[in-house]
Amino acid sequence: AQSVTQPDIHITVSEGASLELRCNYSYGATPYLFWYVQSPGQGLQLLLKYFSGDTLVQGIKGFEAEFKRSQSSFNLRKPSVHWSDAAEYFCAVGLQGAQKLVFGQGTRLTINP
Amino acid sequence: NAGVTQTPKFQVLKTGQSMTLQCAQDMNHEYMSWYRQDPGMGLRLIHYSVGAGITDQGEVPNGYNVSRSTTEDFPLRLLSAAPSQTSVYFCASSYNRGSYEQYFGPGTRLTVT
Repeated sequence: AQSVTQPDIHITVSEGASLELRCNYSYGATPYLFWYVQSPGQGLQLLLKYFSGDTLVQGIKGFEAEFKRSQSSFNLRKPSVHWSDAAEYFCAVGLQGAQKLVFGQGTRLTINP
Repeated sequence: NAGVTQTPKFQVLKTGQSMTLQCAQDMNHEYMSWYRQDPGMGLRLIHYSVGAGITDQGEVPNGYNVSRSTTEDFPLRLLSAAPSQTSVYFCASSYNRGSYEQYFGPGTRLTVT
């Protein structure tokens, strides 16, 4: 069965430090890949997406993600985090032809001042 | 555009009661879906619809009913509420079957006692 794994439940980084959130997927073909962010008490907002082409994709709020087929990974990065980046981040896989998203368990990001 | 709206924001039910969670979108999106979010489990798909009059089951459909009589509205019905249905419910929509990029509502927090 298709699955998405975010190995880190909770990450704490200092403001200004770099960030990498991990995402691994299990799927027979190359899926469509997404990162969403959820601020406290809010719905989910799309940060970025990968369908095909360049494996390094840029998103909103200064985030980027790199698709690595050999590692079945789609890790999210930001060079310098801001206190407003504190939120929960979800990786998701879109199953081609099925019009469904499968979500990872989420990673909660805390920013230390 | 209001985007995706959900009502109510909060609801407390007693076991056995029924209720309907409302979801509406004003973006003329064909695809709509309902997810539930539980701690440590990410978002799980309950039901989805690819257009008016067409619905299908997701990953966790038991105890929930949906219908799609108009493009704009996609209500979720709890037939006989159980404590296991305590969760945060999100409605989402996307332009069509192939777009995958989903827009989420702000969520409904439901507690069943």
